[in-house]
Amino acid sequence: GQQVMQIPQYQHVQEGEDFTTYCNSSTTLSNIQWYKQRPGGHPVFLIQLVKSGEVKKQKRLTFQFGEAKKNSSLHITATQTTDVGTYFCAGRGSNYKLTFGKGTLLTVNP
Amino acid sequence: EAQVTQNPRYLITVTGKKLTVTCSQNMNHEYMSWYRQDPGLGLRQIYYSMNVEVTDKGDVPEGYKVSRKEKRNFPLILESPSPNQTSLYFCASSWGLNSNQPQHFGDGTRLSIL
Repeated sequence: GQQVMQIPQYQHVQEGEDFTTYCNSSTTLSNIQWYKQRPGGHPVFLIQLVKSGEVKKQKRLTFQFGEAKKNSSLHITATQTTDVGTYFCAGRGSNYKLTFGKGTLLTVNP
Repeated sequence: EAQVTQNPRYLITVTGKKLTVTCSQNMNHEYMSWYRQDPGLGLRQIYYSMNVEVTDKGDVPEGYKVSRKEKRNFPLILESPSPNQTSLYFCASSWGLNSNQPQHFGDGTRLSIL
């Protein structure tokens, strides 16, 4: 079945450093979604990427979808303490099933 | 306000005592889903429903039941809970599965089965 691998599992950074999390799918995806879960909270939708090679930005966050539509990344520039949380990617396969990666827990030292 | 409401938020119970976690959404979404979240394992889908009276197994359905008698409600039933079902549970909803719309999550239900 469809698998979505996400690395790293944990990342601790100093405030102001950059952060990147990566997702890789075992199959070609029709789209990929990114979610953020704050500590004690629920996952909240951030963005969706649909096109091959697509790049989208939200302030300090940059999202990329690979040319082969099998991998994606989320990059945060100059992290802040408000960025703390777990970031999940979720890939949608050809059968429309949405499969979540295991998430990357980001902690930021002020 | 558009939302997904789960109840209860927290529950401590004992092995074998049937329980139901309710989920209700007010967005007229067709698609609803249950996930469990465990440390190091991420979000794993338990069951999902494409519409009223249409449900299907996700990746970890054993020990759970669901029903979808109305569009807005999608309860999760544990007929005979066991300690390995201790987890954080999330209900989510969205427009149809093929609509490429985001999932809206409830606030979560933390279950402890002793």
